[in-house]
Order: sequence, then structure tokens, then C-alpha cells
Amino acid sequence: GAGVSQTPSNKVTEKGKYVELRCDPISGHTALYWYRQSLGQGPEFLIYFQGTGAADDSGLPNDRFFAVRPEGSVSTLKIQRTERGDSAVYLCASSLTARANTEAFFGQGTRLTVV
Amino acid sequence: SQQGEEDPQALSIQEGENATMNCSYKTSINNLQWYRQNSGRGLVHLILIRSNEREKHSGRLRVTLDTSKKSSSLLITASRAADTASYFCATDPPSNTGKLIFGQGTTLQVKP
Repeated sequence: GAGVSQTPSNKVTEKGKYVELRCDPISGHTALYWYRQSLGQGPEFLIYFQGTGAADDSGLPNDRFFAVRPEGSVSTLKIQRTERGDSAVYLCASSLTARANTEAFFGQGTRLTVV
Repeated sequence: SQQGEEDPQALSIQEGENATMNCSYKTSINNLQWYRQNSGRGLVHLILIRSNEREKHSGRLRVTLDTSKKSSSLLITASRAADTASYFCATDPPSNTGKLIFGQGTTLQVKP
């Protein structure tokens, strides 16, 4: 595809359930980033991958959050035992490499609502 | 945690006027970038200014960077109703990973 694709675009889930959010980066981009954006705030970094490995997961809020990128392309963000405070827009971005001064391209995000 | 403070939080102007948004940050940077966001969804990259640059232009956009004051400004000239959006600055710290730290954003409304 031409850009970063995120699915689903919207997800409503009940408190305590497990959810998976998917990100398809731009073909050939080795770096992939996940951010979370709460209402009225700027995006906050969660985790980034260089290839298949999670190079920096320092932004993950707790151990209920986990992300994988098994083949170095598609990534899945997994949230266990969801809480109402997890409600936010989850944004994925990819870039050619994980280096400074490299433009990142963002997807349209997945709006997660935990009820 | 967010590094940037943006000012103002909200701005409302008439079409044709200029809009200026400011961003301050706390730590050293490789570069500073400005993004635009419509309706709280995808972010669109507008412009990147490197730490050794002071000013950059792209169409109707003008960005300045003052590393001594740890601040940047985004000027949109001759604004249009279609410029209505939220604007975020993001810093790329010297970790050389491309990881971005965003400010809280300025919501711009351009009235026709």
C-alpha cells in the first residue's frame, strides 16, 4: 500500500478483555513506532522496532501491553485485561531507518474505547 | 512523558491572517519537527528543522529554531479555512533512534 495502514480504525471492547491492534508499515521501512494519544494531548511514545526486534519499549505503561513484529513488517500491539484508562487513539508510524533526521509516516490510528 | 510545551493551546483567526505557534522543549535535540493532525487521527509531517539550522521555509510555512532558548515557532502565512487542524511540535532527542517526543499541540481554527 501507499501509506501506513492500521486496523481496525475503531475498536470498542469491554473492560477486562484482550485486544490486538495491527499496523502495516510502508513496504521497505525497517523502523516501526507505536504511540498513544489521549484526548487533548500529544502522542506519547510506546515502543519502537528496528527490524524484528523491539529496540526500545520504555514507553509501554505496564506489562499488560506487548507488541510484536515477527517478520520485520506487520506489527501487532496487544493489550491484556483492558482498563477504561487504556481508551485512546493508538498511532503507528514507520520510517526507512531508525535514525535521526529520517521522516516518519503515520497511519490514521486505531481509536480504542474500553467500556 | 511529553517534552514540549506549546503556546497558545488554541488559536482562532480569520482567513488570510497569519498564524504563529510556539514550542518549547527541555532537552538537547537532533532536530525538531512540526506535524498537523485533522480530527484527532493521522499525523501529517509538515517540516523538519535540524539542530544546526535556524530557519526553514516550505510553501506558506516558516519555522524557526533557537536552540539556546530551546524553542521553535511555526508561522503559517495567508491562512485558509483548510488549515484548521491541530499542530504539534516533536523533538528527536540525541538517542539516534528516530523516536519522537511530542508537545501537547495548538488547535488552530481559521474562520472563512
